[in-house]
Amino acid sequence: DSGVTQTPKHLITATGQRVTLRCSPRSGDLSVYWYQQSLDQGLQFLIQYYNGEERAKGNILERFSAQQFPDLHSELNLSSLELGDSALYFCASSVGDVVGHGELFFGEGSRLTVL
Amino acid sequence: AQRVTQPEKLLSVFKGAPVELKCNYSYSGSPELFWYVQYSRQRLQLLLRHISRESIKGFTADLNKGETSFHLKKPFAQEEDSAMYYCALKGGGYQKVTFGIGTKLQVIP
Repeated sequence: DSGVTQTPKHLITATGQRVTLRCSPRSGDLSVYWYQQSLDQGLQFLIQYYNGEERAKGNILERFSAQQFPDLHSELNLSSLELGDSALYFCASSVGDVVGHGELFFGEGSRLTVL
Repeated sequence: AQRVTQPEKLLSVFKGAPVELKCNYSYSGSPELFWYVQYSRQRLQLLLRHISRESIKGFTADLNKGETSFHLKKPFAQEEDSAMYYCALKGGGYQKVTFGIGTKLQVIP
């Protein structure tokens, strides 16, 4: 499958802990986007990377950080976890750095549960 | 600031009935609008974009700048249309893509 892949699919952890979510974009896509979907909320944009560089930033908490590596995969690090961080975290990719007329290709998401 | 409003969390219609999924947006410039769909056990995927003026699976959406709306319509609903539908907006340049909360469409046989 050459689509967007995210790992892990499910993750259960405790408050105060730190987790890393991983995303591999579609082959050939240079941009990676991270979204958070909490209960009763839409997809909240967190951050975008293009070819290793941060391109756009949303309402990402200071406890959260991300990076895109030379092989274009990306990791989202969530630290000092709180109950409210429980959510579905989506990664998406696109060919260029400006989505524009193009489209976002989504992964299946990583469901994080903080107990 | 960009904002997308989908006022209905759930829309139930009978098979063969017309469908209209509402989307209103807030953006000061010229936005690009999209509809994404997520079928059961599938990934979120692009359904259509306003710039293409296309009809996909019988769905159409017209951008109304006066009413700041981008409603998704289909004249005759089919059972396979049951899914979550998300309206999305992108501003110019490196602006983020903002999604609405989503509307669950349930087509009753």
